[in-house]
Amino acid sequence: ETGVTQTPRHLVMGMTNKKSLKCEQHLGHNAMYWYKQSAKKPLELMFVYNFKEQTENNSVPSRFSPECPNSSHLFLHLHTLQPEDSALYLCASSQGASGESEQFFGPGTRLTVL
Amino acid sequence: KQEVTQIPAALSVPEGENLVLNCSFTDSAIYNLQWFRQDPGKGLTSLLLIQSSQREQTSGRLNASLDKSSGRSTLYIAASQPGDSATYLCAVRGAGRRALTFGSGTRLQVQP
Repeated sequence: ETGVTQTPRHLVMGMTNKKSLKCEQHLGHNAMYWYKQSAKKPLELMFVYNFKEQTENNSVPSRFSPECPNSSHLFLHLHTLQPEDSALYLCASSQGASGESEQFFGPGTRLTVL
Repeated sequence: KQEVTQIPAALSVPEGENLVLNCSFTDSAIYNLQWFRQDPGKGLTSLLLIQSSQREQTSGRLNASLDKSSGRSTLYIAASQPGDSATYLCAVRGAGRRALTFGSGTRLQVQP
């Protein structure tokens, strides 16, 4: 595997379900990100992790819970979501220490909340 | 708060035309600017990265310019092809932040 991978690619869940999204990067990067892309809205940041530590939380509701066990893996745990949380969730990584580094994105998980 | 605007929102051109996509941002204190391509329902593919100290970057038929002082960037696509049809996103990385701020994108359709 190369680059940034995300699983599952598609997920349908009810509002009472608990599920997790997984992201893995094979680039040796130190920083990882979760972004949300809703219909007709710009891509927006959710969380930033640098060397496994959360450095940014963009006022995300607590029903989204991120986890970064190491620099290569990032999870987004989902519980009691709302239909408006349906979106494409994108993971990215970069060589985090440098402000000049390029971000590389995964293919995304298309989430539908019924 | 940084805001990124892309014009036009949608563009349809015949194959072979040269075209320019525009991106503007409100806060000129940036580390870099990235142009991405997104195919329907897919993730983002990085096209070009311009550091704040650079004026332009080129990759094949693509050329991106950056005028940091005026808060503008353009993506020039030469000799467009139907395979170029996609949404093109501009994103800036603000000074002191790791995350990108995205524009809404320009949806490009190249007609064969």
